[in-house]
Amino acid sequence: GNSVTQMEGPVTLSEEAFLTINCTYTATGYPSLFWYVQYPGEGLQLLLKATKADDKGSNKGFEATYRKETTSFHLEKGSVQVSDSAVYFCALSTNSGGSNYKLTFGKGTLLTVNP
Amino acid sequence: KAGVTQTPRYLIKTRGQQVTLSCSPISGHRSVSWYQQTPGQGLQFLFEYFSETQRNKGNFPGRFSGRQFSNSRSEMNVSTLELGDSALYLCASSPQGGNTEAFFGQGTRLTVV
Repeated sequence: GNSVTQMEGPVTLSEEAFLTINCTYTATGYPSLFWYVQYPGEGLQLLLKATKADDKGSNKGFEATYRKETTSFHLEKGSVQVSDSAVYFCALSTNSGGSNYKLTFGKGTLLTVNP
Repeated sequence: KAGVTQTPRYLIKTRGQQVTLSCSPISGHRSVSWYQQTPGQGLQFLFEYFSETQRNKGNFPGRFSGRQFSNSRSEMNVSTLELGDSALYLCASSPQGGNTEAFFGQGTRLTVV
């Protein structure tokens, strides 16, 4: 079956530091890959996505590249801000004939950015 | 455009009772999925509905059920509540499901006492 493994953290960084959160996956078929972010007391917000190999998703300074050869989708940001403090989830979906949609999530990584 | 709306935001129920949670998807979205989020198990898929039909179901007992109405609004029901059902229940909508992005509501926090 499908699975997502991400570093669980917590990760604590100082403002303007470089961020990497590792994510690897196992999937049948050709998955789409996502990063979602969850702020305290909120639901999940889509941060970025990539739908095929070598695609790079980017948003708000965050980037992730779909690497089929290493089955990875690592999240990076060059300079984090205090406002980036949240839980980050890596996820995948596969579409078996268009009728089997669901998201499979990693466990989440808590990021805390200190001023 | 309004986002995904879940009601209520918070619920406290007693063990053995049943509960119904509601989700209104983004206008025009026909796929609604439900997820359970707990500290121990993380985010787990419950089921997905598309055009009033359940297309996919996760590994949850039959106490968990759902339905979708013709206007795409969805409800999920949990009967005979157990303490372990305490969780954040998240609803997500997407235009058609498949490998398109899902938009999540803020969730319903259910506490079973």
